[in-house]
Amino acid sequence: EAGVAQSPRYKIIEKRQSVAFWCNPISGHATLYWYQQILGQGPKLLIQFQNNGVVDDSQLPKDRFSAERLKGVDSTLKIQPAKLEDSAVYLCASSLVWGEQYFGPGTRLTVT
Amino acid sequence: GQQVMQIPQYQHVQEGEDFTTYCNSSTTLSNIQWYKQRPGGHPVFLIQLVKSGEVKKQKRLTFQFGEAKKNSSLHITATQTTDVGTYFCAGPFQGGKLIFGQGTELSVKP
Repeated sequence: EAGVAQSPRYKIIEKRQSVAFWCNPISGHATLYWYQQILGQGPKLLIQFQNNGVVDDSQLPKDRFSAERLKGVDSTLKIQPAKLEDSAVYLCASSLVWGEQYFGPGTRLTVT
Repeated sequence: GQQVMQIPQYQHVQEGEDFTTYCNSSTTLSNIQWYKQRPGGHPVFLIQLVKSGEVKKQKRLTFQFGEAKKNSSLHITATQTTDVGTYFCAGPFQGGKLIFGQGTELSVKP
C-alpha cells in the first residue's frame, strides 16, 4: 500500500513570496490533515478535511494560508505572502475517518 | 484551553537503561494516541488507548492510560539505539481535532 505522498520535500523562499504544497493521501482515506511542525515542537493542526469538506480550520492563519481538497482526494496548502515565522515542516496526514493517522514525509520550508 | 503536556522534554540514557515519558491532558480524553518520530523523519503511529486504566504492551514498550483518562505514560524497558527519536502523545479534542504534546526526545548512548 502506497503511503501519503507530499511534494516538494524542501522549499526555500524569500519573505513575502508565495508557496504551495501538495499532498496525495492513502487511497480510500476520507480524512486529510495539514500540520505545521516547528523545530522542537509537536505537530500543530492547521486544517482537517473530511472528504472535500472542512472539519476544522480554527488554527489556520486565514489571512495568509489557504487549503483546498478538490474531489475529496489530493490537497494543496498555500501560503501567500510568507513570513519568517512560517519556516517549519508542513506535514500532511490521512486517516480512514478517525483514529490512526498516517503521515507523509513532510515539506521543509525555509523563509529567508 | 486545550492542552497536552509531556515531560520530560529530553531524556538521555545509556543503552540498556529504562525510559519513561509522561503525558497530561487539560481535559478528559476519549482516547490517547502515541507516535514516534525518528530524527529527520515523520511521526509514525504506535498505539491508541481507549479504556480507563488500560495497559498495552508492544515488546519492550508499555503504554498506560490513566483511570481518569487525563494522563498516559510510555515506558521502554532496556532501551536500544533503535529507540532513538521523539515520542509524542496526542489526544482528540472538540471536533476530533488531535492535539499533540511537545514530545519527549530520547537519545541513547551505546
